[in-house]
Amino acid sequence: DAGVTQSPTHLIKTRGQHVTLRCSPISGHKSVSWYQQVLGQGPQFIFQYYEKEERGRGNFPDRFSARQFPNYSSELNVNALLLGDSALYLCASSLALNFPGQGAYEQYFGPGTRLTVT
Amino acid sequence: QQQVKQSPQSLIVQKGGISIINCAYENTAFDYFPWYQQFPGKGPALLIAIRPDVSEKKEGRFTISFNKSAKQFSLHIMDSQPGDSATYFCAARDAGGTSYGKLTFGQGTILTVHP
Repeated sequence: DAGVTQSPTHLIKTRGQHVTLRCSPISGHKSVSWYQQVLGQGPQFIFQYYEKEERGRGNFPDRFSARQFPNYSSELNVNALLLGDSALYLCASSLALNFPGQGAYEQYFGPGTRLTVT
Repeated sequence: QQQVKQSPQSLIVQKGGISIINCAYENTAFDYFPWYQQFPGKGPALLIAIRPDVSEKKEGRFTISFNKSAKQFSLHIMDSQPGDSATYFCAARDAGGTSYGKLTFGQGTILTVHP
């Protein structure tokens, strides 16, 4: 079974540019979350989407935006890139947000997109 | 504000020994506590998870102990192997507020198992 897939694997951008990262969740999963992981730290929550609607937003500036498509795949967009945006961007998928059953909201991560801003 | 505190920052264990990583939390709205294992250049992999109505959960060599009153939980890796060498993250899921379903992660523990 295919896990969470993300593209591209690596990306190098210049300050001020825009970037779009893509994620495909595990088949059957309807929720996608985005996290930023700076080197040496734990992942930080950016967004959560469920059934194409934003259900959670972390403490990130408005330069960060996302959306979820009818096939449950998702895009993370970052505008006006700063050096501090350099990080591993992780996508996680889960079956649902909350469900009275075991494992419904276990989050499974993809391999991430390594973004370097120069 | 860091809501999940993890310790130690790094841990060295001999092959066959027990690795213990601890986490403490403050937010009583947390309702699900997973542990993730991450190898360099890879995404975090879900290892084991527990809910607060259970005090202990064991899966193979991995055990979570949970103390609801103390708001602490820990990961025990029995018979540690060199292949267990990785960074381990505890996390907690927020069941309320505007960030429903958000996972808050600890700072991570770098585990090294010497052969």
